[in-house]
Amino acid sequence: GAVVSQHPSWVICKSGTSVKIECRSLDFQATTMFWYRQFPKQSLMLMATSNEGSKATYEQGVEKDKFLINHASLTLSTLTVTSAHPEDSSFYICSARDGGRAYNEQFFGPGTRLTVL
Amino acid sequence: KNEVEQSPQNLTAQEGEFITINCSYSVGISALHWLQQHPGGGIVSLFMLSSGKKKHGRLIATINIQEKHSSLHITASHPRDSAVYICAVSPIQGAQKLVFGQGTRLTINP
Repeated sequence: GAVVSQHPSWVICKSGTSVKIECRSLDFQATTMFWYRQFPKQSLMLMATSNEGSKATYEQGVEKDKFLINHASLTLSTLTVTSAHPEDSSFYICSARDGGRAYNEQFFGPGTRLTVL
Repeated sequence: KNEVEQSPQNLTAQEGEFITINCSYSVGISALHWLQQHPGGGIVSLFMLSSGKKKHGRLIATINIQEKHSSLHITASHPRDSAVYICAVSPIQGAQKLVFGQGTRLTINP
C-alpha cells in the first residue's frame, strides 16, 4: 500500500513551452501533497505544499506563476512548469500524506526528470 | 549550520561490512525519517521513528531524542544497498514539512 506514481518519468521540451507533471496516490487518499525539486548531488528542496481543494502554499523564493500547482482531487496533484527555460531543468519529486495515517508520514513518487533545451 | 547534519557524506565499503550512517539535528522534532534514494532517483521511506529502535530485515534505525541523534545501520551489506541515504526530520513546528539532511552516498563493492 501507499504507492505514489508520477507521470511522465522524464520529459524533454523546448525553451518557452509548458510542461505538466502529474502526481497520483494509487491506493490512498492524499489530503496533502508536496512538490520538491532536486539538483544533481543535492538534497530535496521543498517547492510547495498543496492541500486538496485549496491553493498551494509556496516556499519562499518559488515563483507561483512559474510553477502552477493544482490539487483538484484526493488522488491527483499536478505541477505545471510554465514557459520553461534551461534553468528549470531538474528532477522534480512529489510526495503525499495519507490522511488515514500518521500526520508526518510521507510517501514519495519516483520523480520526473525535466530537461529544457 | 544546517538543522540536519549527516555523516559521513560519502562511504565506500566492501560487501558484508557493517555500515553506520549518523544523523544529528538541532530542532525539536515529532519524528525522524530515514529515506533511501537509488540512482534512478526514486525515494523509498525506510523508517519513521520518534523513539527507540526499529528493525526491518538488515536495516536498523535508532534514535536518541535527548541527544538529538539517530543512526542507520546496515548489517551484511550488499552491492544492492548502494544508494543515497537521507535523514529527514518532522519539526514540531510545521510538522507537515520535512527538513532534510544532505544525504550519505553509500557504495558497496562486491
